[in-house]
Amino acid sequence: QKEVEQDPGPLSVPEGAIVSLNCTYSNSAFQYFMWYRQYSRKGPELLMYTYSSGNKEDGRFTAQVDKSSKYISLFIRDSQPSDSATYLCAMSGSVGTSYGKLTFGQGTILTVHP
Amino acid sequence: GAVVSQHPSWVICKSGTSVKIECRSLDFQATTMFWYRQFPKQSLMLMATSNEGSKATYEQGVEKDKFLINHASLTLSTLTVTSAHPEDSSFYICSATTGMGYGYTFGSGTRLTVV
Repeated sequence: QKEVEQDPGPLSVPEGAIVSLNCTYSNSAFQYFMWYRQYSRKGPELLMYTYSSGNKEDGRFTAQVDKSSKYISLFIRDSQPSDSATYLCAMSGSVGTSYGKLTFGQGTILTVHP
Repeated sequence: GAVVSQHPSWVICKSGTSVKIECRSLDFQATTMFWYRQFPKQSLMLMATSNEGSKATYEQGVEKDKFLINHASLTLSTLTVTSAHPEDSSFYICSATTGMGYGYTFGSGTRLTVV
């Protein structure tokens, strides 16, 4: 079993839709949770980060972390064609072998069509 | 914001030759740099972690003699793929951090093609 599981999609939605992206994980040592966006043949760029459980909102993006269920989500409101990319969840811990190292999900390919 | 520059962005080399990829943190000192490999439509797989002035720590299954990592300063790390073979063709990405829990900045990646 992978430490981080993410549905690879692909996911295709119309412009303006609400997009929900999810990851589950098994390592209880993970404390930092991040979402990255990656365009084709580019490095990932950080979208959102959350420490421990809770919600965080930034513009059209909302990140949620439920540590009790080992489940994290990213919601994109009013999706735009420019949001079309691969979205990767990533996690790291504060102690032990997970300290300082990011573990990525497989990535979800999102296409927003006009 | 933090910027990481990675060069070259793409390279083609002949089988058996070596290729060096550079990763620089432009506006901050990176205590740790990471090297990842990414195959098409797959996620990033961590290859190794390097701290300035010390030997890199390689992940299980990564050949340290094939993928040489040097982290000579707080702003520069290099990955050298030695005696490259076609199966080494991939997208290589570096990342640098100041040590904060979420502060990872990625380079733009290097597409290596070995012919």
